[in-house]
Amino acid sequence: DIQMTQSPSSLSASVGDRITITCRASQGISTYLAWFQQKPGKAPQSLIYAASSLQSGVPSRFSGSGSGTDFTLTISSLQPEDFATYYCQHYHDFPPTFGGGTKVEIK
Amino acid sequence: QVQLQESGPGLVKPSETLSLTCTVSGGSISSYYWSWIRQPPGKGLEWIGYVYYSGTTNYNPSLQSRVTMSVDTSKNQFSLKLTSVTAADTAVYYCARETYYGSGSLTVDYWGRGTLVTVSS
Repeated sequence: DIQMTQSPSSLSASVGDRITITCRASQGISTYLAWFQQKPGKAPQSLIYAASSLQSGVPSRFSGSGSGTDFTLTISSLQPEDFATYYCQHYHDFPPTFGGGTKVEIK
Repeated sequence: QVQLQESGPGLVKPSETLSLTCTVSGGSISSYYWSWIRQPPGKGLEWIGYVYYSGTTNYNPSLQSRVTMSVDTSKNQFSLKLTSVTAADTAVYYCARETYYGSGSLTVDYWGRGTLVTVSS
């Protein structure tokens, strides 16, 4: 299975900050990568697919980039509703696997 | 707006079979892949597998020997069965829709709310 490693595992930030989360694949996955947001006690929500394409309805402050093995999720100006845990997932082959998550907390 | 809702027992005894159903509303079950993803309490996400509306399946090899998925297009539902459960199968189980996009790969675009299944005697 392809291993997905996220860093950092947690970070503290303030409203208005720009933050970047990194996801690294154990082998090349082209741009077959998605990002999800999960708030406590809630189901994940889909943010980005194909490494950089926003799902419908996702605010433009979210952006994704990368290809091959290294990917980033950036939130350009953190909003109160963005404090959550973020997961990456590859879909290069089966089984698709998730990163361990990055928890974004209020500073 | 597509909505998914999981249903099934919240408590299953060890060695028994976990059975869940996902009902899809606001859209047709046809032409999509329908998956199950689980999350043990306080832990990360694990893809269990998918069933295509035609009945074709693909399972995570780590669970393949115990998993069966099926679809009922007349009811707009799909189902998960996981046999011989242990405490390690205790998790929130999510159903989800997977969609093909331009490059020929799948991605999850809709999720159910999730249902906690506890394995305990």
